[in-house]
Amino acid sequence: NAGVTQTPKFRVLKTGQSMTLLCAQDMNHEYMYWYRQDPGMGLRLIHYSVGEGTTAKGEVPDGYNVSRLKKQNFLLGLESAAPSQTSVYFCASRLHNDGPSQFFGPGTRLTVL
Amino acid sequence: AQSVTQLGSHVSVSEGALVLLRCNYSSSVPPYLFWYVQYPNQGLQLLLKYTSAATLVKGINGFEAEFKKSETSFHLTKPSAHMSDAAEYFCAVRYNNNDMRFGAGTRLTVKP
Repeated sequence: NAGVTQTPKFRVLKTGQSMTLLCAQDMNHEYMYWYRQDPGMGLRLIHYSVGEGTTAKGEVPDGYNVSRLKKQNFLLGLESAAPSQTSVYFCASRLHNDGPSQFFGPGTRLTVL
Repeated sequence: AQSVTQLGSHVSVSEGALVLLRCNYSSSVPPYLFWYVQYPNQGLQLLLKYTSAATLVKGINGFEAEFKKSETSFHLTKPSAHMSDAAEYFCAVRYNNNDMRFGAGTRLTVKP
């Protein structure tokens, strides 16, 4: 099992550009999450999904969109990147009936100039 | 608002010394509680979790944490620090199915 993987690992964007971050998990997990990590602020939930075809907003959803077309993939999109979106992005997943534990991907470091 | 507070953004101990990382949460309902560790340029790894069973929870790498409802605390301890314990540690609380809140993190430095 690869667990939770994220693509790409690093990316530099210019203000106004768009991009999509891909999260994939091979553990057949129902729930998937996107977080951003900023210095001194821990992780904050952007969007999450409780199953294929469903998404919901988290704590800081503005400026991001997500899609869960396949159970194993959860995409995070930035339509028009802003410098405030410079961050490290983590994806996580879990089974709905496996207690509360989340498994995290290795992260994507995004810089918006 | 529900929140998680980690006291001390940076803790430094000597190798072999006690490690104590503090975490307090705000809640009137017993939550699920976690400690995660993050090594440089890596994702978060689960150290241990509290799920309303025993109040003293043992995790990996010799860490443990005690849930104290009266103090709304879930402090992380390890009797003897090792150089490999140097990392950032995050306390997290989950109140319902998808509302997971993380503390700001505590960076642990271990001096030889």
